Amino acid sequence: QKEVEQDPGPLSVPEGAIGSLNCTYSNSAFQYFMWYRQYSRKGPELLMYTYSSGNKEDGRFTAQVDKSSKYISLFIRDSQPSDSATYLCAPDYKLSFGAGTTVTVRA
Amino acid sequence: ETGVTQTPRHLVMGMTNKKSLKCEQHLGHNAMYWYKQSAKKPLELMFVYSLEERVENNSVPSRFSPECPNSSHLFLHLHTLQPEDSALYLCASSQSSSSGGVETQYFGPGTRLLVL
Repeated sequence: QKEVEQDPGPLSVPEGAIGSLNCTYSNSAFQYFMWYRQYSRKGPELLMYTYSSGNKEDGRFTAQVDKSSKYISLFIRDSQPSDSATYLCAPDYKLSFGAGTTVTVRA
Repeated sequence: ETGVTQTPRHLVMGMTNKKSLKCEQHLGHNAMYWYKQSAKKPLELMFVYSLEERVENNSVPSRFSPECPNSSHLFLHLHTLQPEDSALYLCASSQSSSSGGVETQYFGPGTRLLVL
């Protein structure tokens, strides 16, 4: 079983709609759950992180963690073309990353 | 220069060549990392220099050799690479604390490596 599983997409989202991304992980010891955004020809940048289970909102982005099912989600509200990027989940922020989901927001 | 810089941005090399990738961080951090990013695969942590200790992923082949002369500079020396080593090599830095807790990593733009 892979430590982190993330659907690589691509995910096409209409402008103004909600984009939904998710990951599953296997190690129940993980506590910090990060989401990184990576634009083309750039390195990943930290988008937001949560600690333990629950929701966290930052502007148009909401991160959810369900430790009981080892499932993490990222929601993008009112998606904009500038949100087109690859999003990587990182349930163990240095060692374990997902493969990334490529999101394209279409006008 | 700000943040984390990497040179060169692109590199094409033959399997018998020797080359080096360079990373420099301007953030005053005390930890630096090398990652390999291949298409459709998770980021793979290769090496860490943190609090003056080196930690490595034992699955990384010996044809990759890191060097960290000080807390601001990191090198990845490459020799006799294979075509499957073609990937984006990312450098990152963070401020590491012995008390633990989350550390925000800052990534450079990467070096796109092609091995022929």
